Amino acid sequence: DVKVTQSSRYLVKRTGEKVFLECVQDMDHENMFWYRQDPGLGLRLIYFSYDVKMKEKGDIPEGYSVSREKKERFSLILESASTNQTSMYLCASSPGASGWTQYFGPGTRLLVL
Amino acid sequence: AQSVTQLDSHVSVSEGTPVLLRCNYSSSYSPSLFWYVQHPNKGLQLLLKYTSAATLVKGINGFEAEFKKSETSFHLTKPSAHMSDAAEYFCVVTPPEGTTDSWGKFQFGAGTQVVVTP
Repeated sequence: DVKVTQSSRYLVKRTGEKVFLECVQDMDHENMFWYRQDPGLGLRLIYFSYDVKMKEKGDIPEGYSVSREKKERFSLILESASTNQTSMYLCASSPGASGWTQYFGPGTRLLVL
Repeated sequence: AQSVTQLDSHVSVSEGTPVLLRCNYSSSYSPSLFWYVQHPNKGLQLLLKYTSAATLVKGINGFEAEFKKSETSFHLTKPSAHMSDAAEYFCVVTPPEGTTDSWGKFQFGAGTQVVVTP
């Protein structure tokens, strides 16, 4: 089974702090994604990566950056956390050109005070 | 361009009765379509997917969905609801696998919350 793990299930941070969310997948997938999930809005894509060191902006990249130094690991960075970034953050991976099914991690619920 | 609309934000069913979750899509090409389920405080799990093979797709836990091109719909059904089906369900549309983009941009619906009563 594909396994996608996220470093924290729950996180509480203060406004202005730098926040790192880590995601690791164990299936040698090419593509990795970061979403945020808010009630009534479904999932919105923040960034995705289709290869090591490669990244593309999604629908809501403002206030976020990402890093992919190794194929299995994709990090989401909030440079200066704000209260409107309080949300559930979901990481996903997919094989790539050979298949687009996305496999999701359990999510990180972030509260910014 | 593509979009997806889940017609019900909440659905309440009694245990043992049928479940119907409605999803309409808009796409400039013949899409791939997915249904995911999210149980409380969990990540999303794939229920089933349509990728231009059979129009009636069977998934896990007794769910199935039918792709109807003429109605641009991909409704999810289950003949008999179980308490464990209480969750949020997401319909997803994406370009067909292997075409245009190499990564498949998922467009999520807003979700349907399912409540199952005893």
